[in-house]
Amino acid sequence: DVKVTQSSRYLVKRTGEKVFLECVQDMDHENMFWYRQDPGLGLRLIYFSYDVKMKEKGDIPEGYSVSREKKERFSLILESASTNQTSMYLCASRDSAREQYFGPGTRLTVT
Amino acid sequence: AQTVTQSQPEMSVQEAETVTLSCTYDTSESDYYLFWYKQPPSRQMILVIRQEAYKQQNATENRFSVNFQKAAKSFSLKISDSQLGDAAMYFCAGGGIESQGNLIFGKGTKLSVKP
Repeated sequence: DVKVTQSSRYLVKRTGEKVFLECVQDMDHENMFWYRQDPGLGLRLIYFSYDVKMKEKGDIPEGYSVSREKKERFSLILESASTNQTSMYLCASRDSAREQYFGPGTRLTVT
Repeated sequence: AQTVTQSQPEMSVQEAETVTLSCTYDTSESDYYLFWYKQPPSRQMILVIRQEAYKQQNATENRFSVNFQKAAKSFSLKISDSQLGDAAMYFCAGGGIESQGNLIFGKGTKLSVKP
């Protein structure tokens, strides 16, 4: 079974802090994604990566950056967390049949 | 541009009954994939069913089936013999072959199952 793990289920940070969310997949998938999930808005794509060291902006990249130094790991970085970044963050990886496999999510609260 | 519309924010079904969740997917691409994902409360998002647009036959997976009407841009999910474990948020998603496989998600439908 494909496994996608995220470093934390719950995280509480203060405004202005630098926040790292990490995601690891164990199926050698080339494509990985970071989404933000908010009630009534569904999932919105923040960034995606189709290979090591490659990244592309999604629909809402402002205030975020990403890093992919190894194939299995895709990190989302909030350079200076703000209260409007309080949300559920979902990581996913994609197989060759275009199915996406999701991690359990990180619920981030910025106070 | 692609859009995914789920017009039912909430739905309710009696256990053992059948329920249909609606979705429309609009794209200029001729070849694309459609998915229904399920997110149970506080649990991981998982794939329920997928449909390739070029396939004439509607996909089925046990109690789950889709009704894909390409011309109408409609992609509904039917759940038969509903069970308590079907209670979840359901997201419709679509992605064109040309768009690097990135998916656009609908806003979700919250399904409640009454015992």
